[in-house]
Amino acid sequence: DAGVTQSPTHLIKTRGQQVTLRCSPKSGHDTVSWYQQALGQGPQFIFQYYEEEERQRGNFPDRFSGHQFPNYSSELNVNALLLGDSALYLCASSSAEGPTDTQYFGPGTRLTVL
Amino acid sequence: GENVEQHPSTLSVQEGDSAVIKCTYSDSASNYFPWYKQELGKRPQLIIDIRSNVGEKKDQRIAVTLNKTAKHFSLHITETQPEDSAVYFCAASIPPDSNYQLIWGAGTKLIIKP
Repeated sequence: DAGVTQSPTHLIKTRGQQVTLRCSPKSGHDTVSWYQQALGQGPQFIFQYYEEEERQRGNFPDRFSGHQFPNYSSELNVNALLLGDSALYLCASSSAEGPTDTQYFGPGTRLTVL
Repeated sequence: GENVEQHPSTLSVQEGDSAVIKCTYSDSASNYFPWYKQELGKRPQLIIDIRSNVGEKKDQRIAVTLNKTAKHFSLHITETQPEDSAVYFCAASIPPDSNYQLIWGAGTKLIIKP
């Protein structure tokens, strides 16, 4: 049973560039949530995707956008990167049929913006 | 909106002793409270969770208690071991959506002294 996977593991970009991060949910899960975790802090909710639509959104600017595919995998896109976007980006999956609030995390993508 | 406060930020205990981490939340409608353990450079891992219809839940050396009236919940780890050293995060759900957004505490760094 595959767990949540994310790619790439690490990424280095420069200010103003754009980045795409990818997530594959745990087998049997159909909901994907994205979080940003700055060093030494707790994860901050970015948004959640279900049935290929953004269902909930946290307090993040429009530079952060996403997509969910028919196979439930998801992408997080960040445009016009800022130094402050440097963080660990975590994807979590859950199932709309099970305990819908139980979320399982992927290993994360470490983004460094120079 | 929901706010979760977590204390202490750092906790150092002797191996074999118990550790207690406390969280308070602000939204009385929240009804799901997970605890995650995050080791350095790794993903958050769900270790235990509790829903508002129960007051206590136990899983081997780990237990969580919930006081809905006071809006606080606590993580209890007994007979601590070196492998318990990590950062622990509490979280609370934001209702009423069917798949909840989690608001996280700032984390507690637990240090187990040999």
